[in-house]
Amino acid sequence: DAGVTQSPTHLIKTRGQQVTLRCSPKSGHDTVSWYQQALGQGPQFIFQYYEEEERQRGNFPDRFSGHQFPNYSSELNVNALLLGDSALYLCASSSDGYTQYFGPGTRLTVL
Amino acid sequence: AQSVTQPDIHITVSEGASLELRCNYSYGATPYLFWYVQSPGQGLQLLLKYFSGDTLVQGIKGFEAEFKRSQSSFNLRKPSVHWSDAAEYFCAGNNQGGKLIFGQGTELSVKP
Repeated sequence: DAGVTQSPTHLIKTRGQQVTLRCSPKSGHDTVSWYQQALGQGPQFIFQYYEEEERQRGNFPDRFSGHQFPNYSSELNVNALLLGDSALYLCASSSDGYTQYFGPGTRLTVL
Repeated sequence: AQSVTQPDIHITVSEGASLELRCNYSYGATPYLFWYVQSPGQGLQLLLKYFSGDTLVQGIKGFEAEFKRSQSSFNLRKPSVHWSDAAEYFCAGNNQGGKLIFGQGTELSVKP
């Protein structure tokens, strides 16, 4: 049984560019959440998707947007990248809405 | 405001010694509580969770945690630490079926 997968593993962008990160949930999971983890910090909740709708959102600007597809996979898009967006981006999936299983993350570096 | 606090930023224990990592929560009602472990540059692995019922919960890798409502705590324990347990440990709470609120993490070092 494959766990949560994310792509790409690493990404380097320059300020002002746009980036798309991808996530495939565990088999049987229909809910996907995204988190940002800055170096030395705990993960911060960005948003959660369920039934292709954004169900809950954290304190992140509109530059952060997402999408969930009918097969429950998800994308995180970040526009107009800032240096401060450099972080590990984690995707988590759930079947009960509470217990979240995390992927390996995508390391984004903004230069 | 809802919050999860891990008072210890860094803990060092000797291999074979016992371990206790502290976690306190502040929520209007008792949240669901979780412990995760993260190795450098990796994602988070779920160690255990508490929803209700028995206040002592068992997890993977020999870890357990005890929920104490009177102290708003959910401390993680292991009777005998192995060198492979060295990692970052995060406590987290969730009471809305969505947003996990994490503590700042405790880095565990293991001395040979």
